[in-house]
Amino acid sequence: QKEVEQNSGPLSVPEGAIASLNCTYSDRGSQSFFWYRQYSGKSPELIMFIYSNGDKEDGRFTAQLNKASQYVSLLIRDSQPSDSATYLCAVFSGAGSYQLTFGKGTKLSVIP
Amino acid sequence: ETGVTQTPRHLVMGMTNKKSLKCEQHLGHNAMYWYKQSAKKPLELMFVYNFKEQTENNSVPSRFSPECPNSSHLFLHLHTLQPEDSALYLCASSWNRGKDEQFFGPGTRLTVL
Repeated sequence: QKEVEQNSGPLSVPEGAIASLNCTYSDRGSQSFFWYRQYSGKSPELIMFIYSNGDKEDGRFTAQLNKASQYVSLLIRDSQPSDSATYLCAVFSGAGSYQLTFGKGTKLSVIP
Repeated sequence: ETGVTQTPRHLVMGMTNKKSLKCEQHLGHNAMYWYKQSAKKPLELMFVYNFKEQTENNSVPSRFSPECPNSSHLFLHLHTLQPEDSALYLCASSWNRGKDEQFFGPGTRLTVL
């Protein structure tokens, strides 16, 4: 059973701070990693994806991947109230399965 | 229309009704997906279609019946549902199944009475 674990939160950070969202996965052979943002009552929207170990930056967002530790994280710099949402981690393991496995999500609240 | 669209956005049905959910993607993608999202649970993959052929069915009860007439359209036919089937049903598409980023439609909020 492939599993993706996230702290459900809520994670509260003050406006302007760095928000750090973490995700661990069970399948060591996993290949692709995605972060989605989901506002209440809306559908998930892709924030970032990462395939290789290390950091990947896009604007205020940085994804970090450590395959040895089976750990992927999302950093949000200069957090804004508009960043308040649930962040879903999704993992593609390949190996004959064409499924993304999603975590339950971490609810982030940015306090003005 | 752009991206992935879904209709209806809200649906209330009785347990004896038959209804269908529709999804259309305008992105030229080859793979389409149905997901179920219930409160406090991860997104659950229901079906995967690749080039309009069903490639995965995650042990979904037969009261849910998918149909994919072409790579742009996906339907989910519903009959004799149970109250526990009430959830947000999301359609998604991607270039290739699994490894590419998936783009989601707005979802259909289904309530079964």
